[in-house]
Amino acid sequence: DAKTTQPNSMESNEEEPVHLPCNHSTISGTDYIHWYRQLPSQGPEYVIHGLTSNVNNRMASLAIAEDRKSSTLILHRATLRDAAVYYCILRDSGGTSYGKLTFGQGTILTVHP
Amino acid sequence: ETGVTQTPRHLVMGMTNKKSLKCEQHLGHNAMYWYKQSAKKPLELMFVYNFKEQTENNSVPSRFSPECPNSSHLFLHLHTLQPEDSALYLCASSQDLGQMNTEAFFGQGTRLTVV
Repeated sequence: DAKTTQPNSMESNEEEPVHLPCNHSTISGTDYIHWYRQLPSQGPEYVIHGLTSNVNNRMASLAIAEDRKSSTLILHRATLRDAAVYYCILRDSGGTSYGKLTFGQGTILTVHP
Repeated sequence: ETGVTQTPRHLVMGMTNKKSLKCEQHLGHNAMYWYKQSAKKPLELMFVYNFKEQTENNSVPSRFSPECPNSSHLFLHLHTLQPEDSALYLCASSQDLGQMNTEAFFGQGTRLTVV
């Protein structure tokens, strides 16, 4: 099963950009990279996903390394409402984890006013 | 509002009780999931249904029994639980397991306390 590695925690100041890294050195060619976040006392919410090319949406940007062994979630201007646990997940294309979303520890993002 | 609704939001039950958690979605999704989140721990995948067929039972004790009568509804039946089963139980849905370029939607969860 593909696995990801993220820093346990990161801090940012409000209105500054935040770069959340994720390593996934065992990624296979058809695994999608998904990011979710979980605000306090809520269920996780989808942020963004990609396969090979960088992706942008209204919430964030996803930069994927050329070899796909790492990726970075970019919040362009952090707000206090972005304080959450961010999860980088590989949606497996094969094996016993086919299609499932398996969560790791994630990165706790603290945003300072 | 994510389109995935869980009821009840909070539940307190004794160890000898039988209760059920309900999850409902009308997003047209065919995959539904149950997760358990204990305090300060990551989400643990419990059960997965794809087109109403159970495809995953992640070594979950038999005191938890899932049911998926149709693609829109998912239940988790609880009986003779232990205090350590107290946790946030989250339901999610997605298009289906084969559509890995689509996102999953999560409910707000049921906060379960076993006394």
